[in-house]
Amino acid sequence: DGGITQSPKYLFRKEGQNVTLSCEQNLNHDAMYWYRQDPGQGLRLIYYSQIVNDFQKGDIAEGYSVSREKKESFPLTVTSAQKNPTAFYLCASSIVRDSYEQYFGPGTRLTVT
Amino acid sequence: GESVGLHLPTLSVQEGDNSIINCAYSNSASDYFIWYKQESGKGPQFIIDIRSNMDKRQGQRVTVLLNKTVKHLSLQIAATQPGDSAVYFCAENYVGSNYKLTFGKGTLLTVNP
Repeated sequence: DGGITQSPKYLFRKEGQNVTLSCEQNLNHDAMYWYRQDPGQGLRLIYYSQIVNDFQKGDIAEGYSVSREKKESFPLTVTSAQKNPTAFYLCASSIVRDSYEQYFGPGTRLTVT
Repeated sequence: GESVGLHLPTLSVQEGDNSIINCAYSNSASDYFIWYKQESGKGPQFIIDIRSNMDKRQGQRVTVLLNKTVKHLSLQIAATQPGDSAVYFCAENYVGSNYKLTFGKGTLLTVNP
């Protein structure tokens, strides 16, 4: 099956620790995105990448880092500098050429205590 | 800044009724709009999209209407079913946004049996 996988579904960390969220797609999409969703809120863009080895900051990039070493993978690291890391994190991908539709993964719920 | 927003945060309907979810946008340069459905704890799923050169587009039980004059978008769901209960987001892409989508806060649709 083609799609986007995010792992794990639930993640728990202690404050002060860095944590990396996984996102993999086998859709052969060029672009990948990371969003953060807080309860009762819309999606806010953290980082996005349209090509391997290149990525841009979104609206709320502070305290996060990403890498795009392979087309299929776009891991997100939540660093200890992120003030309020507890949230639902969504990864998405898109073809980019002639289409704006983004395909979403199932999400990772991160809880930091 | 430019934003996409929703008139109603919650909507409750009876099973079998038609539902209308509204969305206002402020960026006159927006050329593409998309509706997503998000069930609790899951990633958003594509419902329907529309480009700015169209006023109406129909899918299976869903219709999207675009009124560029007043910058308004609506999603109509016919014969609403309990499985339609979810949060519905509109999102826009505007020329020059580099294939990014800007999401509204969402409307929670509850279908009563």
